[in-house]
Amino acid sequence: GNSVTQMEGPVTLSEEAFLTINCTYTATGYPSLFWYVQYPGEGLQLLLKATKADDKGSNKGFEATYRKETTSFHLEKGSVQVSDSAVYFCALMGGKLIFGQGTELSVKP
Amino acid sequence: DTAVSQTPKYLVTQMGNDKSIKCEQNLGHDTMYWYKQDSKKFLKIMFSYNNKELIINETVPNRFSPKSPDKAHLNLHINSLELGDSAVYFCASSHSGPERNQPQHFGDGTRLSIL
Repeated sequence: GNSVTQMEGPVTLSEEAFLTINCTYTATGYPSLFWYVQYPGEGLQLLLKATKADDKGSNKGFEATYRKETTSFHLEKGSVQVSDSAVYFCALMGGKLIFGQGTELSVKP
Repeated sequence: DTAVSQTPKYLVTQMGNDKSIKCEQNLGHDTMYWYKQDSKKFLKIMFSYNNKELIINETVPNRFSPKSPDKAHLNLHINSLELGDSAVYFCASSHSGPERNQPQHFGDGTRLSIL
């Protein structure tokens, strides 16, 4: 069946550091891929998405590229801020939305 | 003008009780969902309704019963609450069904604690 695997957290970075959160997936066909972010005490918000191979989703300085050959959708940001501290979820849509286990990011000043 | 709103935000109750969580969306979406997030932050879909019809029903105990009076509302009723039901429950909505790949909009969650 379809599944999503993310790197385990928590990830702790200093402000302005480079961020990568790895995400790989297993799916039949070519599902759409998403990154959602959950700030403390809040619901999930869509961060970015990609609907086909080689698409790059981007938003608020975050980027992720749909890589069919490696079945990956890694999230990157060149310079993180304290306000980016949150839990990040990779997800795929294959009849239903399937989430990875979430990666907690903590950014220190 | 919250897009997807859930009530209550917090729910603390005794084992064995029956409780309901309400969800309303004002986005004009025709599909709504209930998710459960456990203590390790893992999210799993429970139910989905499209235009008041049940389209996704995961392996969930039948103590959980969703009800959709109209396409803007999806309520979740839970009978005979158990300790393992403690979690955060999220409502979400989207245009059309999940197969259309439309992003889902989430409420802020209902934190259910069973004593």
